[in-house]
Amino acid sequence: DTGVSQDPRHKITKRGQNVTFRCDPISEHNRLYWYRQTLGQGPEFLTYFQNEAQLEKSRLLSDRFSAERPKGSFSTLEIQRTEQGDSAMYLCASSIQRPYGYTFGSGTRLTVV
Amino acid sequence: AQSVAQPEDQVNVAEGNPLTVKCTYSVSGNPYLFWYVQYPNRGLQFLLKYITGDNLVKGSYGFEAEFNKSQTSFHLKKPSALVSDSALYFCAVRDNNNNDMRFGAGTRLTVKP
Repeated sequence: DTGVSQDPRHKITKRGQNVTFRCDPISEHNRLYWYRQTLGQGPEFLTYFQNEAQLEKSRLLSDRFSAERPKGSFSTLEIQRTEQGDSAMYLCASSIQRPYGYTFGSGTRLTVV
Repeated sequence: AQSVAQPEDQVNVAEGNPLTVKCTYSVSGNPYLFWYVQYPNRGLQFLLKYITGDNLVKGSYGFEAEFNKSQTSFHLKKPSALVSDSALYFCAVRDNNNNDMRFGAGTRLTVKP
């Protein structure tokens, strides 16, 4: 495993449905981040884990969003009752301790119809 | 709070000419600065970073960036552009008091043959 893997690559869902995305970070990286990117914008920070602990959440992460990293390895991001405004690319990244940069996955593109 | 500004939405250059993609930042502590590149429907790829030391940082694919503390800038440069450099470029910053990385809105670089 040489990179960050995200699954699925694409997801089309109807408004109101729940969706779950998975991220598998680089195995030795203890930090994992979720970002959201909409068209024409830079990635926006959503949340951050150090090992299994969720240490920081953005105000962008409404109560419909929940993220977990149960064993400090892979992470899931769930969106409940999806809305059209949730349509975006959801990016996962991992790193070792700061000040180093992140390694990003290829992202999950969500389309809510 | 940390922030990044990329003043140009679009940069066009001819192949073989030098290119510059501009970035300015704002942080409360010492800045850690990064450049990433994104190709269509892909995640972000790391190009280079400035943590400390020499103000001129060399990165992947012949890119370099110059940290200028007085101007709070971290412009990305390349002496001779290639058509394959055409992509979306993001500047990012984090400071030593925060765990998350903040991205600029991105600059689309187009290199014409």
